[in-house]
Amino acid sequence: GENVEQHPSTLSVQEGDSAVIKCTYSDSASNYFPWYKQELGKRPQLIIDIRSNVGEKKDQRIAVTLNKTAKHFSLHITETQPEDSAVYFCAASTSGTYKYIFGTGTRLKVLA
Amino acid sequence: NAGVTQTPKFQVLKTGQSMTLQCAQDMNHEYMSWYRQDPGMGLRLIHYSVGAGITDQGEVPNGYNVSRSTTEDFPLRLLSAAPSQTSVYFCASSEGTDYEQYFGPGTRLTVT
Repeated sequence: GENVEQHPSTLSVQEGDSAVIKCTYSDSASNYFPWYKQELGKRPQLIIDIRSNVGEKKDQRIAVTLNKTAKHFSLHITETQPEDSAVYFCAASTSGTYKYIFGTGTRLKVLA
Repeated sequence: NAGVTQTPKFQVLKTGQSMTLQCAQDMNHEYMSWYRQDPGMGLRLIHYSVGAGITDQGEVPNGYNVSRSTTEDFPLRLLSAAPSQTSVYFCASSEGTDYEQYFGPGTRLTVT
């Protein structure tokens, strides 16, 4: 079945450094790739998303890149701050299949 | 708008008991889904619905039932609780699978 692999499972960076989280998907028909942030004890919330007709999208300090040929996409956070510490999930979905497939999550720790 | 609401927030059940987790949304979304979140395993889809009267299984449906009699409500029923169903359960809604999913606050369920 469809699968989304996410790496690394944990990531520690110094405040001000960049963080990169990578995901690989299996279904070549996937066309929507969102990223969610989940703070401790809270619900997941969307931070950025990208569709298959776009290679890169940026929103202030966060950006997502998509490589359809290799079937992988990445989240980039620049100038990390302590409030960026959370668990980040990638996901992939395909129109018409009605299923979102989530990665297993990355726990990001930003050290002050 | 209240968004997506879930009740209860916490629940302890004994093995073999049954219960219903409630989920409601006021955004007129057609697509609703239930996930369970376990450490290191991300968010796994239990059941989903693409509209009133239409439901289907996700990747981990065993032991759970759903119904969708209205656009707003999507309850999840545990038929005979087992310790393996100890988890955090999230309900979500969206305009479709290639759009942002809005999550409820979650229900933390413990089965002893």
